[in-house]
Amino acid sequence: ETGVTQTPRHLVMGMTNKKSLKCEQHLGHNAMYWYKQSAKKPLELMFVYNFKEQTENNSVPSRFSPECPNSSHLFLHLHTLQPEDSALYLCASSQGRGTSGVHEQFFGPGTRLTVL
Amino acid sequence: GEDVEQSPFLSVREGDSSVINCTYTDSSSTYLYWYKQEPGAGLQLLTYIFSNMDMKQDQRLTVLLNKKDKHLSLRIADTQTGDSAIYFCAEKRDDKIIFGKGTRLHILP
Repeated sequence: ETGVTQTPRHLVMGMTNKKSLKCEQHLGHNAMYWYKQSAKKPLELMFVYNFKEQTENNSVPSRFSPECPNSSHLFLHLHTLQPEDSALYLCASSQGRGTSGVHEQFFGPGTRLTVL
Repeated sequence: GEDVEQSPFLSVREGDSSVINCTYTDSSSTYLYWYKQEPGAGLQLLTYIFSNMDMKQDQRLTVLLNKKDKHLSLRIADTQTGDSAIYFCAEKRDDKIIFGKGTRLHILP
């Protein structure tokens, strides 16, 4: 596998379910990100991890719970979601947090989440 | 405003040039980017420009930056069907990348 992979690619869940999204990067990067992509809205940054430590939480509801066990893996645990949480959830990684330089982020293909 | 602004749609005939426009918000942004998202895929960095430049050319792509007006554009010469995608303008603000809502480029035969 190369680049950034995400599983599952599609997920349908009820509001009372608990599920997890997984992201893995094979690029040797040390920063990882979760984004939410909704129709007609800008890409929303949710969480940032740098060297496994969470460095940013953009006022995300507690029904979304991230976990970063190591620099290559990132999870997003979901529970009691709402229909408005239906979106494409994108994972990305980068070399460094982007305080200097170009700061290219490499994205996975996303998980299309539908909450019924 | 706070947002990076782009038109939502653009239709262009195959073989013509496409010009996608964007206005950004922070005059101190150091890098401006164009990302491309093809169907079923994540975003991929297409090109970027450093804020001290006003033009960058890379094969069929030309990026123009007007810092005074905070305006960025992406020109795709000889547009092909494979260019059909959503194009995101983004700016680097401190250590964050701020994305626009994207412009969906539709290619007409």
